[in-house]
Amino acid sequence: AQKITQTQPGMFVQEKEAVTLDCTYDTSDQSYGLFWYKQPSSGEMIFLIYQGSYDEQNATEGRYSLNFQKARKSANLVISASQLGDSAMYFCAMTLSMGAGNKLTFGGGTRVLVKP
Amino acid sequence: NAGVTQTPKFQVLKTGQSMTLQCAQDMNHEYMSWYRQDPGMGLRLIHYSVGAGITDQGEVPNGYNVSRSTTEDFPLRLLSAAPSQTSVYFCASVGGGSSYNEQFFGPGTRLTVL
Repeated sequence: AQKITQTQPGMFVQEKEAVTLDCTYDTSDQSYGLFWYKQPSSGEMIFLIYQGSYDEQNATEGRYSLNFQKARKSANLVISASQLGDSAMYFCAMTLSMGAGNKLTFGGGTRVLVKP
Repeated sequence: NAGVTQTPKFQVLKTGQSMTLQCAQDMNHEYMSWYRQDPGMGLRLIHYSVGAGITDQGEVPNGYNVSRSTTEDFPLRLLSAAPSQTSVYFCASVGGGSSYNEQFFGPGTRLTVL
C-alpha cells in the first residue's frame, strides 16, 4: 500500500518569502500521481498542483511549484512570495495510476502561518 | 455549475441512529469518492465509484454503505452511527480527459455522534 509522509507539523514564514513544504511517498508502483491541496480555516479543500510520475519537468502553477525528485521519492511544494492568504493547512496526496484521481492517499498535513 | 454539493452541512446523531449524507455534482464526472477527515489529520478514503452502478471500498469502509444509481448522485449511508464516526465528511468528483487529475471537493459535512 502507498504511504505519504509530511514531517513538518507546522511552519512560520515571513510574508513575501518563499517556503518549502516537505512530502515523501512510498510506493512500489511506477505509475502514480502526486497532488497538493490547501485547506484554509474555512475547511474547504483547494487543489493546487499535480505531478505525474512520468512527467519529466516539475509542475508549476502560478506561485506554486512542485520539486519532484523521483529517486528520493519526494514531492516538495514550494510557495514563492508568500501572502497572508497562504496561511492554511497543506496536504500532500498521491494516487496509483494516472487515471485514478478519485482514490487519493493523504499525508498528515503541514500548517503554515504567514507572518506580516 | 454548482460543482459538488453536500447536504447537510452539520449533523448531530445519537449512537445507533442511521442517516444518509447526500452528495451531488453537475459536471458529468464519472469518478466520485467519499473521504473522512478526523481532527488534525489528512483525509481517508471511505468508498469510491468509477461510474453509475459501480462502487468499491476504500481504506476505511466499515460502517458505511454507498450506491451510485445516477452519474450525478453518490449518497453515503451510516448504518448505525458510532462516536468513532464523528468526523468531517468530504465528497469529491473528478472528470476524465485532460482534467482527470483534479478532484473537486464538496464543502464537507460535519458530523457529531453522541
